[in-house]
Amino acid sequence: DAGVTQSPTHLIKTRGQQVTLRCSPKSGHDTVSWYQQALGQGPQFIFQYYEEEERQRGNFPDRFSGHQFPNYSSELNVNALLLGDSALYLCASSPLFGGSGTGELFFGEGSRLTVL
Amino acid sequence: KNEVEQSPQNLTAQEGEFITINCSYSVGISALHWLQQHPGGGIVSLFMLSSGKKKHGRLIATINIQEKHSSLHITASHPRDSAVYICAALNTGNQFYFGTGTSLTVIP
Repeated sequence: DAGVTQSPTHLIKTRGQQVTLRCSPKSGHDTVSWYQQALGQGPQFIFQYYEEEERQRGNFPDRFSGHQFPNYSSELNVNALLLGDSALYLCASSPLFGGSGTGELFFGEGSRLTVL
Repeated sequence: KNEVEQSPQNLTAQEGEFITINCSYSVGISALHWLQQHPGGGIVSLFMLSSGKKKHGRLIATINIQEKHSSLHITASHPRDSAVYICAALNTGNQFYFGTGTSLTVIP
């Protein structure tokens, strides 16, 4: 089992550009959540997807959008990048709404975004 | 005020010491995770608790639902335990709330 996989692992963008990050959940998991982790901080919840719909959203602007595909994989898109968007973006998968709903949580290694 | 508060923020211990990290939360929860993050990324869930106590090797996690408090204990600490430990509460609305983490350094 490959667990949660994210791509790319590192990327550099300039202010104003757009970025797409990708996540494949652990086999058997149907719920994907995205988090932003600034240096020295805990993860901040961006949004959660289940059945290809955004189910919950944290306090992030509309520049942050996402998508979930029928195979449960997910994308995070950030438009009009700002310097403050530089962070580690983590994807986590859970079987929260489907299956046994046990609340288990698996994280990917993250995508480190640097905005110059 | 954060829904999940951890203490201490930073902790330095000598190898072999007993370590305790505390977590208090204000939301109603269905489960609580203790996560470990080594430098460079990579978060793993050490424990998922909804009541009582769990033990895995030198790690012990406890939770008191009435007091909304959980602790992570490490016995006979080792330099490889050096990491950031994060408490994550899963509320009854299926959303996770994270503490800011405790950075642990164990000195040989």
